[in-house]
Amino acid sequence: KNQVEQSPQSLIILEGKNCTLQCNYTVSPFSNLRWYKQDTGRGPVSLTIMTFSENTKSNGRYTATLDADTKQSSLHITASQLSDSASYICVVSAGSWGKLQFGAGTQVVVTP
Amino acid sequence: EAGVTQFPSHSVIEKGQTVTLRCDPISGHDNLYWYRRVMGKEIKFLLHFVKESKQDESGMPNNRFLAERTGGTYSTLKVQPAELEDSGVYFCASSQGKGHISGNTIYFGEGSWLTVV
Repeated sequence: KNQVEQSPQSLIILEGKNCTLQCNYTVSPFSNLRWYKQDTGRGPVSLTIMTFSENTKSNGRYTATLDADTKQSSLHITASQLSDSASYICVVSAGSWGKLQFGAGTQVVVTP
Repeated sequence: EAGVTQFPSHSVIEKGQTVTLRCDPISGHDNLYWYRRVMGKEIKFLLHFVKESKQDESGMPNNRFLAERTGGTYSTLKVQPAELEDSGVYFCASSQGKGHISGNTIYFGEGSWLTVV
């Protein structure tokens, strides 16, 4: 069983609308949580990085939240654009040395 | 500044053949990682180099996989002999400091897409 679960698997939203993606993790010990954006056929690109003590982190129209007590994170996309169409991957770093645990990703499709 | 570069971008080989993937990390990054995504699965860790030393190779699936980083610069990942289940995307990543420390962004390459037929 994957220690990083994401939901939904996919979603379709209209351009200009907002959406929220969820990530639940059981990885322990927890070091930090990252959200990556992966365009089709490309490598993952970092959006945000949060440690245990951080509740929220923004990067432009992307806002990530973290509740380390419940081991949940969310990624909110505001005023979506067509270029936001991609897979969004939740990644948790456990212990030392950057041995990242990846979620399966949420495929977001933004339509005109 | 160049990002993490990987070669080849795509490779189709027959079962039993050998393939060598190359990764050039961002200049100055001591930490280099290999990850893999097989069809329908999440990206999974393979191994981690600090300079030329293997820090963690617990994710390597079996002894058909051999990773090297001679001189602490570029790295190669060789699969010999390749099997059908080795098909997938192999990502290389690098970071300046220890990847688990916040603020140390881990930069990914575009991936090497391997198809074994």
